[in-house]
Amino acid sequence: QKEVEQNSGPLSVPEGAIASLNCTYSDRGSQSFFWYRQYSGKSPELIMFIYSNGDKEDGRFTAQLNKASQYVSLLIRDSQPSDSATYLCAVNVLMSNQFYFGTGTSLTVIP
Amino acid sequence: DVKVTQSSRYLVKRTGEKVFLECVQDMDHENMFWYRQDPGLGLRLIYFSYDVKMKEKGDIPEGYSVSREKKERFSLILESASTNQTSMYLCASSTPNRVDYGYTFGSGTRLTVV
Repeated sequence: QKEVEQNSGPLSVPEGAIASLNCTYSDRGSQSFFWYRQYSGKSPELIMFIYSNGDKEDGRFTAQLNKASQYVSLLIRDSQPSDSATYLCAVNVLMSNQFYFGTGTSLTVIP
Repeated sequence: DVKVTQSSRYLVKRTGEKVFLECVQDMDHENMFWYRQDPGLGLRLIYFSYDVKMKEKGDIPEGYSVSREKKERFSLILESASTNQTSMYLCASSTPNRVDYGYTFGSGTRLTVV
């Protein structure tokens, strides 16, 4: 069983703060990692991916990967109310055709 | 802009009906997937396909079947709809063996079985 674990939250942060979302995975064959944002009633949209250890930055978003600890995180700087959504972590395992999803973390940014 | 299109945004069907959910992608992707999403349970894989006429069972295939006659189209069939199949259904597509390529999801179909 390829497990992907996320804290379901809800996570609440004030506007302008840094939101930190975490994800752990069980399969050491995991090779790439994706963060999806899902607004209520909508489908998930891809916001970041990472496959090398370290940090990857894209605007206000930073993905961090530590393969030794089997841990991936998403930091959202200068959080805005429009960032309020559920964030899904997805893992792609080597030679597998499918991704494995966590159950998501609900984030609320308070104005 | 790449697209995965699901034929219906909302559907209401009666118990026992045969239900067809259609998904079309215009990205020439080999892989296509059907998930259902329920509160607290996350995304659960029903079926996926990695080529035309190929299909693989996911985690919860019972009560469902699929069809992939053309590369761009992947259909989910509820043989005899039941109330426990009321859910959000999400289609996704991707290309295999790429570390930098994620799923693209359709907009979803919210199915209610009464």
